[in-house]
Amino acid sequence: DARVTQTPRHKVTEMGQEVTMRCQPILGHNTVFWYRQTMMQGLELLAYFRNRAPLDDSGMPKDRFSAEMPDATLATLKIQPSEPRDSAVYFCASGAIKTGGEKTGELFFGEGSRLTVL
Amino acid sequence: QKEVEQNSGPLSVPEGAIASLNCTYSDRGSQSFFWYRQYSGKSPELIMSIYSNGDKEDGRFTAQLNKASQYVSLLIRDSQPSDSATYLCAVTLFSGGYNKLIFGAGTRLAVHP
Repeated sequence: DARVTQTPRHKVTEMGQEVTMRCQPILGHNTVFWYRQTMMQGLELLAYFRNRAPLDDSGMPKDRFSAEMPDATLATLKIQPSEPRDSAVYFCASGAIKTGGEKTGELFFGEGSRLTVL
Repeated sequence: QKEVEQNSGPLSVPEGAIASLNCTYSDRGSQSFFWYRQYSGKSPELIMSIYSNGDKEDGRFTAQLNKASQYVSLLIRDSQPSDSATYLCAVTLFSGGYNKLIFGAGTRLAVHP
């Protein structure tokens, strides 16, 4: 049963600490999206990778967030230092996108990482 | 103006009725449109995609697209309590040479027996 795997599922940390979230996309998928979801803002796009190359990270606060894809089986989202306003559910989603970009939106989501920063 | 707009609801319908969910988008160049369903505490799951003007039916679900009006809708026929969830409209936005997927804030649907 192919699925996107995210770790950790829950994380409680104190302000100023480093947080790393990991995502294993579905085997064979060539795109990975990171989204953040809060009650106030809904689903916000943070970063987008295609074939491991970062295409868009304009949604991320550059001074504290970073996203990487060191290999095809692992995407990471790091927050350093974390702040209470970073508390949210962070979703990773993957998809198999053709060259023309069609079906960009047919994504499979992981279960999310719920982050609480005290 | 937000890129994708939805009424937050809640939209309350009786069991067996038709639920109608609406979405508007700002980028006239958008080409692909999606509806995701998200149960409370769960992750979004894709239920419908539509790429051309008109209607697309899949079981009890019908997606409707009107690019001229920049309007997408989702109809759920014979609504069931199990359809109670938040429905997210998503639209591809072409920027910087590639498409990225932008979500609306979602409409919460409550189907009552």
